[in-house]
This record gives sequence, C-alpha cells and structure tokens, in this order.
Amino acid sequence: NAGVTQTPKFRILKIGQSMTLQCTQDMNHNYMYWYRQDPGMGLKLIYYSVGAGITDKGEVPNGYNVSRSTTEDFPLRLELAAPSQTSVYFCASSYRTGRQEKLFFGSGTQLSVL
Amino acid sequence: AQSVTQPDIHITVSEGASLELRCNYSYGATPYLFWYVQSPGQGLQLLLKYFSGDTLVQGIKGFEAEFKRSQSSFNLRKPSVHWSDAAEYFCAVGSQGGSEKLVFGKGTKLTVNP
Repeated sequence: NAGVTQTPKFRILKIGQSMTLQCTQDMNHNYMYWYRQDPGMGLKLIYYSVGAGITDKGEVPNGYNVSRSTTEDFPLRLELAAPSQTSVYFCASSYRTGRQEKLFFGSGTQLSVL
Repeated sequence: AQSVTQPDIHITVSEGASLELRCNYSYGATPYLFWYVQSPGQGLQLLLKYFSGDTLVQGIKGFEAEFKRSQSSFNLRKPSVHWSDAAEYFCAVGSQGGSEKLVFGKGTKLTVNP
C-alpha cells in the first residue's frame, strides 16, 4: 500500500532554474495539498485541490503553480527558483466523510536553492 | 484569524517518564484540534483529533489529549515515554471547512534519554 508518494526526496537547484515536484496517491482521495515546512516553523499551505481540474491558493502560493489533471497526481511547479524557496515540501491527501477528515502525508522533498 | 502556540520548542525526558506537550489555540468558534507526529525524514502522522464530545481524546501509540475550552488548550500527554517516541510534535487547529483551513503550530521536538 503506497499511500502518498513524493519524488524526488532531495534536490539542489540554482537560482532561476525550474523544477516540478511530483506527488501521487493511490487511495482515490479527492483532496490533495502542498505544504512547505521551514526550520522551526509549522507547515504552511501552498496550494490545494478538491478534485481533478480544481485547484486553489493556500497561504503562501507566490512562486508556485499546480495542476490536477487526474485524481492521483498533484504536481507542484517552481518556475524561477529563489533562495526563499529552500524548504521541505510535503504533499498530502485526504478523504472527507461528513465533518471527519484525515490527512495522509508523503515523506517530503528537501529542496535547496543556491 | 486562528492561531496555534506551542510554547516549548524542545523538551527532553527520560525513557519511562511521563510527558505533557502544551498547545494553546486562538479560534472564534468551536475548534477542530489535532496532534501530529513527525519522525525524522518522514511526513506527518495523525496522533489524535478532537471535533466535539468527550474532551479527553485517546489516540494512537498510547497518547491522549484534553481539550480545555476555558484555557484554550489542547495538551498532549503520555504516561510513560518510549525511546521510539522521539520525534517532532505539531498541534493544529482547524474548522469544519476542512484541512485547507488548518493552522499548524511551530512544533515541539522531543528527545528521549535512555
């Protein structure tokens, strides 16, 4: 049972480069999320999706883009990498039943922009 | 706006000792409260959650938390800590709207001495 899979686990970028962080889940969850975690800070929501074809901004969306063409995949795109985007990125998915919701997290992508 | 404060950045306890991690929140209505654990190199895992009802909530791995409305607190406890409990613990507050509205605390790192 794979759950939420993120690739790559580590990446170093130069300023101005672009890259896509991949996230896929095999639990048929409608909801998917991208968070970033900076040292000594809690998670901040970048973007989220409530289903294929629907995405919305979170708290810190600047410098990122997302797409959701399938239920399984929710890639995060950095177009012009900046040092401020050095962080650990977590993808998560969830299901909702009434008021109940449970998040399932991937193991993260550690990104350094130098 | 909702917010979460975890006053302790780092706590060290001896194996077998009791543990209490503090969490205070600010939220205008009845909050949804969560505790997550993050082991090194891993994503977050849900320990327990409070939506309504009994204010003492039981979670996985022998953890429990108590919701105290009068103190705006949701402290996490464990009667006897195991070395495998060493990790970072995050408190989060949300609303009925879903995980896109979750606000995470900055985390408390737990070290367990043998």
